[in-house]
This record gives sequence, C-alpha cells and structure tokens, in this order.
Amino acid sequence: GENVEQHPSTLSVQEGDSAVIKCTYSDSASNYFPWYKQELGKGPQLIIDIRSNVGEKKDQRIAVTLNKTAKHFSLHITETQPEDSAVYFCAASLGSGGGADGLTFGKGTHLIIQP
Amino acid sequence: DADVTQTPRNRITKTGKRIMLECSQTKGHDRMYWYRQDPGLGLRLIYYSFDVKDINKGEISDGYSVSRQAQAKFSLSLESAIPNQTALYFCATSDPAGGPQGNEQFFGPGTRLTVL
Repeated sequence: GENVEQHPSTLSVQEGDSAVIKCTYSDSASNYFPWYKQELGKGPQLIIDIRSNVGEKKDQRIAVTLNKTAKHFSLHITETQPEDSAVYFCAASLGSGGGADGLTFGKGTHLIIQP
Repeated sequence: DADVTQTPRNRITKTGKRIMLECSQTKGHDRMYWYRQDPGLGLRLIYYSFDVKDINKGEISDGYSVSRQAQAKFSLSLESAIPNQTALYFCATSDPAGGPQGNEQFFGPGTRLTVL
C-alpha cells in the first residue's frame, strides 16, 4: 500500500518568515495530494490540495508543489502569522473521489510561529 | 450547526467493555470514513463506506467493526476494548461528485477514547 513520509516533525519559525514542509510518497499511482491543518482540539481541515496533472498551486500565502518523478510534494507558507501555528498533515490518495481506500497521511508537522 | 458531529466527545472505559462511537453528518455525502489518530503517527484509516450497502476495511480494522445505519450515520464499535485502542477517533465524509481524482474529506471534531 501507499506510504507517506513527512518532515520535519517539528518546525519553529519567526513570525513573518517562510515555512516549508516536505512529504514523499511511495505509490506512483497516487494522484491526489491534500494538506490538512489541525488546530488543538479540532479535526483536520483541508487548506490546499493538488492533483497529479498540476505542478504547483497557490492560494494567498499558501502554496503546494508536486514533483511526480521524484514522488515528493511540499507545502510552503509565506509571511507566517501566529494563527498559522498548528499541526499540518500531508496525505496521498489513489483518487476515485476521495480514494478507493481513503487517504494515507503523513505523521504530521507541528509548526510553531515564534513572535 | 456542525456538518459532521461525533458522540461522545470523550469516553473513558475499562478493558473488555463494548464501546460504540457515533458519527452523523448533514452534508448529504455518500462516503464516510473512520480514522484513529495516535501521537506521532498521524491518522490511520480503520473502515470506510461508499454507501449504505458498501463497507470496506482500512489499514487497521482488526478489533473494530462498523455499521452504516443510514446515509447520514456511520458508527464504529469496539467489541472488547483494550488499552492500545486508546486514541483520538475521527469520522470524515466526502462527496464523490467532487471530481474523479480525489476530493476533500470533511472531518468531525473527534472522540477521545481512553481504555483503562
């Protein structure tokens, strides 16, 4: 089955700086790659996703890049703010509308924004 | 009102007890999922259902069972709870009409289960 590796497990950046979280996946058939943000005491919430026919996608301060050849994808957050502090999860799926077997998640990155 | 609700939000039980966690959704989605989250391990899929008559095992289904009572309801049961099932449990839904290559999953707030 699919295996998703996520790094780093903890990332501390100064407010206003950029943060980058990286993930690799093992199954070349995966074609949907979402990123979720989980705040304390809440369920994960989708912040951005990318499909395999696209190399990069941007939404305001958040961007995701995908390299299918290398089987890795990254989350970039620019101009970080205190409200960006949370745990971030990458995931991969075989698609078919949410995945024939759901999403395979990375282990998460705890992002800490230092004031 | 929340689109995906889970009850109870917190539960403490003893080894050997039967426990049911419930999930309800008002999003009208056909697909529902149960995940468990353990510190440092991310979320892992337990079971998923594409409609009322379709139930599928996920990565870690041993020790769990599910029931899809209606499109809006998907329950997770632990027939005989054990301490290593202590975790945070999440229900999620998705809409297959969201696209052929994958679509957003909407998560509930989670149930924190402790098995003593």
